[in-house]
Amino acid sequence: AQTVTQSQPEMSVQEAETVTLSCTYDTSESDYYLFWYKQPPSRQMILVIRQEAYKQQNATENRFSVNFQKAAKSFSLKISDSQLGDAAMYFCAYKGNQGGKLIFGQGTELSVKP
Amino acid sequence: DVKVTQSSRYLVKRTGEKVFLECVQDMDHENMFWYRQDPGLGLRLIYFSYDVKMKEKGDIPEGYSVSREKKERFSLILESASTNQTSMYLCASSPGQGRQPQHFGDGTRLSIL
Repeated sequence: AQTVTQSQPEMSVQEAETVTLSCTYDTSESDYYLFWYKQPPSRQMILVIRQEAYKQQNATENRFSVNFQKAAKSFSLKISDSQLGDAAMYFCAYKGNQGGKLIFGQGTELSVKP
Repeated sequence: DVKVTQSSRYLVKRTGEKVFLECVQDMDHENMFWYRQDPGLGLRLIYFSYDVKMKEKGDIPEGYSVSREKKERFSLILESASTNQTSMYLCASSPGQGRQPQHFGDGTRLSIL
């Protein structure tokens, strides 16, 4: 069975600085998808970024980028130029190639200090 | 934009009651999901559905059932609510397999007294 692990329950970053959130996963599949979701205090889960396992190039969305290491089964999220609005719970999630189920990590709560 | 609507943001019920949580999506998605979210545990899948009248158990189905009579609506039922079912419940939908992400509702914070 696939598992997703986020080993950092809480992280803190100074405004305008860069922070990296860690995520590791375990799977025997070769084709899958990885996602980072953000859940602000308002509670709605919002997709931040996605990565297809067959793509070697790391995904980037504005200030958000990932470091995808397939062999190491690692999928970290880097937030550059952190803003107060980035404060939220961040979840890493895995989806296999068959079906639509997501497997989530435990979450990392990010606080941003002004 | 995809809209996933959960019927209540906050709900308080009593032990032993039958509780219905409703979820509606407006994008004709095939897949719908119910999760519960607890601190330190992330999101855990309760039930999901790939089509009308179809349902499959997730990781923690005990004490829950679901209904999907129409494509846009997916209901979660707590047959006899217990205090350990106090939690945040999140509904999600997605258009099918592959790279498409799930879209989430705002969540229902359910308290069982």
